Amino acid sequence: GNSVTQMEGPVTLSEEAFLTINCTYTATGYPSLFWYVQYPGEGLQLLLKATKADDKGSNKGFEATYRKETTSFHLEKGSVQVSDSAVYFCALASGTYKYIFGTGTRLKVLA
Amino acid sequence: EAGVTQSPTHLIKTRGQQATLRCSPISGHTSVYWYQQALGLGLQFLLWYDEGEERNRGNFPPRFSGRQFPNYSSELNVNALELEDSALYLCASSESGLALTDTQYFGPGTRLTVL
Repeated sequence: GNSVTQMEGPVTLSEEAFLTINCTYTATGYPSLFWYVQYPGEGLQLLLKATKADDKGSNKGFEATYRKETTSFHLEKGSVQVSDSAVYFCALASGTYKYIFGTGTRLKVLA
Repeated sequence: EAGVTQSPTHLIKTRGQQATLRCSPISGHTSVYWYQQALGLGLQFLLWYDEGEERNRGNFPPRFSGRQFPNYSSELNVNALELEDSALYLCASSESGLALTDTQYFGPGTRLTVL
């Protein structure tokens, strides 16, 4: 069946460090891929998405490229800020199961 | 434009009782999704409603049920509550349930505590 696997956290970085959160998926067909973010005390919100292979989603300095050959959708940011501290969820949408979320990766950025 | 709203914010019940959680989607959205976010377990898909019909459900027992009303709002019912049902229940809505590219918009959640 369809599944999403993302790296376990927590990830602790210093401000201005480079961030990578790995996400790989298993799916039949051509799913859409998403990154959602959950800031402390808030609900989930869409960070970025990509709907076909080689698409790059970007928002707020974050980027992720839909790699069909490696079934991956890794999240990257060149220089993190304290305000980026949150839990990040990778997700896929497919015709049968709709949305499947990864278990989330907690990011903590230290000043 | 109002976002997805959920009520109540917190709900405390005892084992064996029933809980009812409510969700109002963004205006114009016809699909509503329910998720359970238990501590340390990420989001688990519960139910998906679109145009008043249940379209899909996750691997949860039948005591988890719900419905969608003609105005597209939805309620989730959990019968015979168990301690492990304690979690944050998130509702999300999207414009339709048919497009794989739809973005889901999440509400703030209802924190259910079962004692």
